[in-house]
Amino acid sequence: EPEVTQTPSHQVTQMGQEVILRCVPISNHLYFYWYRQILGQKVEFLVSFYNNEISEKSEIFDDQFSVERPDGSNFTLKIRSTKLEDSAMYFCASSPGRGELFFGEGSRLTVL
Amino acid sequence: RKEVEQDPGPFNVPEGATVAFNCTYSNSASQSFFWYRQDCRKEPKLLMSVYSSGNEDGRFTAQLNRASQYISLLIRDSKLSDSATYLCVVNLRAAGNKLTFGGGTRVLVKP
Repeated sequence: EPEVTQTPSHQVTQMGQEVILRCVPISNHLYFYWYRQILGQKVEFLVSFYNNEISEKSEIFDDQFSVERPDGSNFTLKIRSTKLEDSAMYFCASSPGRGELFFGEGSRLTVL
Repeated sequence: RKEVEQDPGPFNVPEGATVAFNCTYSNSASQSFFWYRQDCRKEPKLLMSVYSSGNEDGRFTAQLNRASQYISLLIRDSKLSDSATYLCVVNLRAAGNKLTFGGGTRVLVKP
């Protein structure tokens, strides 16, 4: 069964460092998303991506965040200068349409 | 009013019983609605889409009430394996792509 894969599963970084989280969506899906979940809190929308551009982004997704789909398969989330409050589980999801999301297992980011 | 709101629970449910809970949403123009399930420290997984006419999948029934802006999930004959957090997801854009999660409702099924 096709699945969304994310790497790394866990990354520990120092405050102020750049982090890149990688995702390989399901191959025939058209819509891609990043969400985050701080431990014990709700799943928060960060950004949606369609047709090689951002279609929606939340207030959380500020200038420190960027997304790319550099080679038609990988979908990356970059955090330019990490803060302590960026520590969370980051989930990538893809969708064949405007609804059903298929999530990866997540990348846990710990900022020290 | 929060964009997508759920009773956090927990709902403590005896095995075999029925449990139901709702999710309210703020944007009356929302078009797509879903229920996801999330186990502890795992990714959310799609449980079912919610259609205007209501829909059923085995022991699970989902309904949409547009007038009052809520969706509901009912679980019949609860199993121990139904213990999880149930997440309501709403596409808040009529023509767009902002799938927003509620905070989740925790369900604990006990023997």
